[in-house]
Amino acid sequence: DQQVKQNSPSLSVQEGRISILNCDYTNSMFDYFLWYKKYPAEGPTFLISISSIKDKNEDGRFTVFLNKSAKHLSLHIVPSQPGDSAVYFCAGDGGNQFYFGTGTSLTVIP
Amino acid sequence: DVKVTQSSRYLVKRTGEKVFLECVQDMDHENMFWYRQDPGLGLRLIYFSYDVKMKEKGDIPEGYSVSREKKERFSLILESASTNQTSMYLCASSFVDTYNEQFFGPGTRLTVL
Repeated sequence: DQQVKQNSPSLSVQEGRISILNCDYTNSMFDYFLWYKKYPAEGPTFLISISSIKDKNEDGRFTVFLNKSAKHLSLHIVPSQPGDSAVYFCAGDGGNQFYFGTGTSLTVIP
Repeated sequence: DVKVTQSSRYLVKRTGEKVFLECVQDMDHENMFWYRQDPGLGLRLIYFSYDVKMKEKGDIPEGYSVSREKKERFSLILESASTNQTSMYLCASSFVDTYNEQFFGPGTRLTVL
């Protein structure tokens, strides 16, 4: 059973606009939530994380928001750039392992 | 730069063969992981290791075993490959203290015929 779900398989956004990637989870025991980015033919790379005791974490153009009551997190990319085109995975940290979502493929249109 | 290398990018094997997937990291990481990635299922953890000769089962260990004889090397073994083990296999490593930041290799696309 998927503990982390990304219900949008794909998303297209114009360059310069905001990209919002969403993620829902079922396990309220997750300590941390993470976002990884994956380009074709490469392994995923760590992007940003957020502790379960916070509701926002920002790193440059990337901001992650956590809504614990809704069991929902989102990744905002502002402004979006063509180089951001990739598959984005969210994950929950279950203590000794990550539970990944199925990924959202983001395309940023120049 | 951290480098995680995997022995093959593409591998084709026959049902029943024994398959070895090798992973090497060069950053002295304590933790190493094996995942498989399948469409519609995301990345799922098969096994991980937090030290030499130590191993822990992940979500889907059935049909797999692992070996970690040296800190930098973590091997995934398919004792008798089956068609449902056709998948992309990803190795990752991390420090214990920065466990959230895992560094992934490029993956091995295994096809079992």
